[in-house]
Amino acid sequence: GQNIDQPTEMTATEGAIVQINCTYQTSGFNGLFWYQQHAGEAPTFLSYNVLDGLEEKGRFSSFLSRSKGYSYLLLKELQMKDSASYLCAVLDSNYQLIWGAGTKLIIKP
Amino acid sequence: IAGITQAPTSQILAAGRRMTLRCTQDMRHNAMYWYRQDLGLGLRLIHYSNTAGTTGKGEVPDGYSVSRANTDDFPLTLASAVPSQTSVYFCASSETSGGANTGELFFGEGSRLTVL
Repeated sequence: GQNIDQPTEMTATEGAIVQINCTYQTSGFNGLFWYQQHAGEAPTFLSYNVLDGLEEKGRFSSFLSRSKGYSYLLLKELQMKDSASYLCAVLDSNYQLIWGAGTKLIIKP
Repeated sequence: IAGITQAPTSQILAAGRRMTLRCTQDMRHNAMYWYRQDLGLGLRLIHYSNTAGTTGKGEVPDGYSVSRANTDDFPLTLASAVPSQTSVYFCASSETSGGANTGELFFGEGSRLTVL
């Protein structure tokens, strides 16, 4: 079956760096996506990786290793507004998104 | 403001009743989706439509139906609601490339449905 694993919850300190990992086993691969979802709100697109390596976008970076079925989202200079759930998703061979359950990130002052 | 509009935002419904969740987008995206999100579970796809006039079943389609008469609207109907359909429902849309989902989804604000 298809499976996406990510930690349920993480805690980090304001101003610090945090890495959220995601491992996947899917039927085919057409890209990996990270979405951010604040409590009570809709998910919003953060990043997209289809080739191995690091994609940087401001304070956020996303890394992909297709051979290992592994990605991480790196958040630098954490701010209180970064408290949210982060969803990892893979576009499979049928071009359907397979979603992880999300990682709830708690930022402490 | 361009985007996706869902209605209602919240609804309490008696079991056995029929309910339609409305979704309208103004981005002219070909593909639209309905997801449900439950605590501890990832987003689960209910139904999707890659273009107007076509629909497909997702991971959890039972008890739900959809239609796509035009590009902008994608209503989700619960024919006879049951308590297990209590959830937050998200409508989303995306551009397509060569007819395929690009993976960058734009979501509506969600409809919180409680079935008693």
